[in-house]
Amino acid sequence: TQLLEQSPQFLSIQEGENLTVYCNSSSVFSSLQWYRQEPGEGPVLLVTVVTGGEVKKLKRLTFQFGDARKDSSLHITAAQPGDTGLYLCAGVSGSSNTGKLIFGQGTTLQVKP
Amino acid sequence: GAGVSQSPSNKVTEKGKDVELRCDPISGHTALYWYRQRLGQGLEFLIYFQGNSAPDKSGLPSDRFSAERTGESVSTLTIQRTQQEDSAVYLCASSQTVQPQHFGDGTRLSIL
Repeated sequence: TQLLEQSPQFLSIQEGENLTVYCNSSSVFSSLQWYRQEPGEGPVLLVTVVTGGEVKKLKRLTFQFGDARKDSSLHITAAQPGDTGLYLCAGVSGSSNTGKLIFGQGTTLQVKP
Repeated sequence: GAGVSQSPSNKVTEKGKDVELRCDPISGHTALYWYRQRLGQGLEFLIYFQGNSAPDKSGLPSDRFSAERTGESVSTLTIQRTQQEDSAVYLCASSQTVQPQHFGDGTRLSIL
């Protein structure tokens, strides 16, 4: 069974601080996605990383995919209260042709003004 | 509509009752997924449809859970003889190929 371990589970920081969320597995994924979810809503895709070693930037968010395609990280620079939410990583199995997503447990981020 | 629509948005029922949850995918999306999300947790895969067929049902937790899709459109997830551990948000996603998946806002199911 493929698992994604996401850490930390909870993070409460002050506005302006930096943070990193990690997503680790012993399995290889063909791609890895990061989502953000607000209360009462479905997850919204932030980014997809496909190539080992890939780095993508989305404004203050930087996403990395590990060289071996088993791990990923999300780094937020100068966090703002609007960044508050649940962040989820999700992997697509390298051996799957169904596209089903294997999700991490999520990181609940609170950014205090 | 432009997005994935799920109904009802909230459902409260008594233990032992059957419930049906509905998903209207984005028009033209052939792939449809159901996931379950427990409070504050990640999503667990339940079932995948390609067209009206379900080639991957590996995530259904018990034989009380079933799903169908008709007309390569609407899907219904049915839970029979509900138990308290079935309380969760049930999310549906659709996609044109297999990625990216577009999620609905879910049905929050509470079993009393």
